[in-house]
Amino acid sequence: EAGVAQSPRYKIIEKRQSVAFWCNPISGHATLYWYQQILGQGPKLLIQFQNNGVVDDSQLPKDRFSAERLKGVDSTLKIQPAKLEDSAVYLCASSRRPGDNEKLFFGSGTQLSVL
Amino acid sequence: AQTVTQSQPEMSVQEAETVTLSCTYDTSESDYYLFWYKQPPSRQMILVIRQEAYKQQNATENRFSVNFQKAAKSFSLKISDSQLGDAAMYFCAYRTSTQGGSEKLVFGKGTKLTVNP
Repeated sequence: EAGVAQSPRYKIIEKRQSVAFWCNPISGHATLYWYQQILGQGPKLLIQFQNNGVVDDSQLPKDRFSAERLKGVDSTLKIQPAKLEDSAVYLCASSRRPGDNEKLFFGSGTQLSVL
Repeated sequence: AQTVTQSQPEMSVQEAETVTLSCTYDTSESDYYLFWYKQPPSRQMILVIRQEAYKQQNATENRFSVNFQKAAKSFSLKISDSQLGDAAMYFCAYRTSTQGGSEKLVFGKGTKLTVNP
């Protein structure tokens, strides 16, 4: 089966600019996650969707970050305006549904550099 | 809040030898899951092995095995017969038993494993 697709692979912007990342989960996967991985750290969950509803966005900086998952398939994550500390890899993951036995599949991420 | 600590920023091993990566965690919950993920330079996180806290038996996946000590809140990964392809960042992660709620994975900071030929 095809994996989790993300684009772009790399993005360089200046601070205060806007940027958007796209994620296409594995077909049929109802649950989608966005993680932020700052250099030298493990990934941190930003937001979890179940179909097109938000399950957990407690660690999403809502003053500048937004995410949507229209029609419960593709998802976009936006940063507006970007700050230097937003430089990180943004990983998307999906699973068939919530549940203890469900495996997460990760994409290859988007590496964002804010100058 | 749950925390995961990996005290070894870097480890190295000779090809065909055995290496153990350490992980400790802090939680007040009794039911949870622990994972080891591998992240090669491609950046894609790959599940290596998982352990359910209610199981006393240590999980094993081919050359990978864990030593799960629930009372000590320790979860180490042993890689036997190390291969060049095992070189990567390894992350230990914790997840609460979901019961329909958030499935947030809490990751450690990772251990960079180098395999020497």
